[in-house]
Amino acid sequence: SQKIEQNSEALNIQEGKTATLTCNYTNYSPAYLQWYRQDPGRGPVFLLLIRENEKEKRKERLKVTFDTTLKQSLFHITASQPADSATYLCALESDGGTSYGKLTFGQGTILTVHP
Amino acid sequence: DTAVSQTPKYLVTQMGNDKSIKCEQNLGHDTMYWYKQDSKKFLKIMFSYNNKELIINETVPNRFSPKSPDKAHLNLHINSLELGDSAVYFCASSQVGPAQQFFGPGTRLTVL
Repeated sequence: SQKIEQNSEALNIQEGKTATLTCNYTNYSPAYLQWYRQDPGRGPVFLLLIRENEKEKRKERLKVTFDTTLKQSLFHITASQPADSATYLCALESDGGTSYGKLTFGQGTILTVHP
Repeated sequence: DTAVSQTPKYLVTQMGNDKSIKCEQNLGHDTMYWYKQDSKKFLKIMFSYNNKELIINETVPNRFSPKSPDKAHLNLHINSLELGDSAVYFCASSQVGPAQQFFGPGTRLTVL
């Protein structure tokens, strides 16, 4: 079965720096991958979706890459701010392309941006 | 306007009881989901319905029974609650196909 790993349980950086989060997966070739943000006591909030034929996607200060050869996605937050502090979840499509929306989530990386 | 709402937000109950969690979405989506997030924060899909039809049914005990009375609602009934059922349960909805999922605020279930 597919396995998904976010390489850091926690990441601490200084304000203004770029945060880079990693998501690795095995035993599967997902058609797309998503990144979500989760704040304490709240539900996950969608950030970006990237398809297997896309190398990179950007949205404001966010950038995600998808390397299907390395089976890895990188998620970058540039010019990070304390308000970016949250848990970031990587999620792989895992429904065999049937479009039923089945996602397998990683365990999350807790990002803390220090002023 | 709340996109995906769940009730109750907190649920504290004794082992062996039966309880239900309700979910409603006003986004016009055809697909709704139930997820369980355990104490280690792993978020795992339990069920998915598309237009009131059960599509995804992961390895979940028979004590858990989802029910979708219409496209906008997906309820979760749990029989004979056990200590291990304690978790946060999230409802979500999306359009069909590769699409972002909209999550509700979660229901924190505590079984004593």
